[in-house]
Amino acid sequence: DAGVIQSPRHEVTEMGQEVTLRCKPISGHDYLFWYRQTMMRGLELLIYFNNNVPIDDSGMPEDRFSAKMPNASFSTLKIQPSEPRDSAVYFCASSLRDRGAGQPQHFGDGTRLSIL
Amino acid sequence: GDSVTQMEGPVTLSEEAFLTINCTYTATGYPSLFWYVQYPGEGLQLLLKATKADDKGSNKGFEATYRKETTSFHLEKGSVQVSDSAVYFCALIDNRDDKIIFGKGTRLHILP
Repeated sequence: DAGVIQSPRHEVTEMGQEVTLRCKPISGHDYLFWYRQTMMRGLELLIYFNNNVPIDDSGMPEDRFSAKMPNASFSTLKIQPSEPRDSAVYFCASSLRDRGAGQPQHFGDGTRLSIL
Repeated sequence: GDSVTQMEGPVTLSEEAFLTINCTYTATGYPSLFWYVQYPGEGLQLLLKATKADDKGSNKGFEATYRKETTSFHLEKGSVQVSDSAVYFCALIDNRDDKIIFGKGTRLHILP
């Protein structure tokens, strides 16, 4: 079975440029999560969706960050304009909704973003 | 709010040593508990889980038992290998909510 697919795997760009990260969740999963991982802050939840609807975006650092999920099989995380402090590994994860059964999240391999 | 506390690393052991990584949690509901592993350059992978008190999760020689009385979910392995070198995350999902709460992670180094 295909897991969560993220693209690109690596992105290097100059500050001020727009960056778009992409995620394809596991088919049939109805939750999608975006995380950021850095050495300083560890793993941070940015936003998550249920059935394509954003539920909690309180972790989005500022207005430069936006996320969309136009359909059940695709999501984007956009940074515009990008800054060097946005450099991190960004992970997408998906899961099934089944409270009480401990449904785990399945992670993609991440996008390593470097802003120069 | 809910939280997960795990021992800080790095933890360095020799091959074939016994491993314990401590994890305790705080939750107002009845959480499900998880251990995830992250190998270099990869995303987090589910290692094992337990959904109710006294359940034991196990996988690849790793075990953890859900202890409600001590609010703990310690990870153990009887004989570690160099290939076990990774970062290990303890996590919970409170079944009243949809978010997973991760600990800060414990980096494990196994020396040959």
